[in-house]
Amino acid sequence: AQSVTQLDSQVPVFEEAPVELRCNYSSSVSVYLFWYVQYPNQGLQLLLKYLSGSTLVKSINGFEAEFNKSQTSFHLRKPSVHISDTAEYFCAVILIRTSSASKIIFGSGTRLSIRP
Amino acid sequence: DTGVSQDPRHKITKRGQNVTFRCDPISEHNRLYWYRQTLGQGPEFLTYFQNEAQLEKSRLLSDRFSAERPKGSFSTLEIQRTEQGDSAMYLCASSWGLAGSFEETQYFGPGTRLLVL
Repeated sequence: AQSVTQLDSQVPVFEEAPVELRCNYSSSVSVYLFWYVQYPNQGLQLLLKYLSGSTLVKSINGFEAEFNKSQTSFHLRKPSVHISDTAEYFCAVILIRTSSASKIIFGSGTRLSIRP
Repeated sequence: DTGVSQDPRHKITKRGQNVTFRCDPISEHNRLYWYRQTLGQGPEFLTYFQNEAQLEKSRLLSDRFSAERPKGSFSTLEIQRTEQGDSAMYLCASSWGLAGSFEETQYFGPGTRLLVL
């Protein structure tokens, strides 16, 4: 069965420190991969996604994620975090070539808190 | 474009009452999704519309739940005879998607938080 695991429910880090939010998935077929971010009192918004091509994808605010097919992972990283990155981050997967919307699966989220 | 809006943002009701939520998607989007999110979990798919047609419903959507999207614009989600287990955040998202694939970016509203007493 398809599933998404975000191993850390909370990640506290100091400002300007590097961070990695982990995401592993299980699927018997190829997938598309997404990271969504939810800032306090706002709706989820897409941070970045991997559909095909280069396995390293980047967002406009300095985050990047690398698709690792052999390890079935899509970890999110940022070399230096800012207070404004405080949010909850959700990993999601979709089966490729599926005709079913119900195959969109979200992880349980990782709350990133930045300490000054 | 003001994004996806949801109304109300918060709803407190007593067990057994009916509630209705509204979602206004981004105007040019042909797809509209409803999700439920409980504390400490990610969004769980409930149902989706392609234009005005409701094409899929999750098993999470019991017969007390009904969703509509008349004329392919706004959508409503109604819960009849609410139960305490219905307490959750109900999220709406919209997108522009081609038939047979779901890799497009979904744009989420701020959600409606329901508390059933």
